[in-house]
Amino acid sequence: AQTVTQSQPEMSVQEAETVTLSCTYDTSESDYYLFWYKQPPSRQMILVIRQEAYKQQNATENRFSVNFQKAAKSFSLKISDSQLGDAAMYFCAYRSPWDGQNFVFGPGTRLSVLP
Amino acid sequence: DVKVTQSSRYLVKRTGEKVFLECVQDMDHENMFWYRQDPGLGLRLIYFSYDVKMKEKGDIPEGYSVSREKKERFSLILESASTNQTSMYLCASGGVSTQETQYFGPGTRLLVL
Repeated sequence: AQTVTQSQPEMSVQEAETVTLSCTYDTSESDYYLFWYKQPPSRQMILVIRQEAYKQQNATENRFSVNFQKAAKSFSLKISDSQLGDAAMYFCAYRSPWDGQNFVFGPGTRLSVLP
Repeated sequence: DVKVTQSSRYLVKRTGEKVFLECVQDMDHENMFWYRQDPGLGLRLIYFSYDVKMKEKGDIPEGYSVSREKKERFSLILESASTNQTSMYLCASGGVSTQETQYFGPGTRLLVL
């Protein structure tokens, strides 16, 4: 079974600075998708960014980008020009096309943004 | 916009009570999911459904059951609530393609006394 690890339970960043959240996963599959989700306080979880394992190019969405290292099974999220609204829980997730198409989530990283 | 709604944001129940949590999605998604979210543990899958009346156990199904009588509605049932079921419960829906994300409801924070 796949597992997802986020080794940083909490992180903080100064407003306008850059922060990187770590995620590693364990799988024997070659094709899969990886996702980062954001859960703001008392608000719904939303998708931040996704990456297909077959694509070598790292995904980017505005200020959010990933560093996908397939061989190392690493999928970190970089937030540039951090804003107060980026404060949230961030979850890394893995989705297999075979294992019931379920998502496997990491334990989350709580990001604080300091003014 | 995809909308996933859950019947309650906050719920307080007594030990032994039967508890129903309902989830409705408006995007005609085949897949629907129930997760439990606890600090330091992330989201753990309780049950998921890939079609009407179809269900599969997730990682932590004990003490829970589900019902999906209509495509848009997925219910989570706690047959006899216990204090260790105090948690945040998240419903999600999504399509069958691997690249598709899940869309989450706002969550139900359940307290069992």
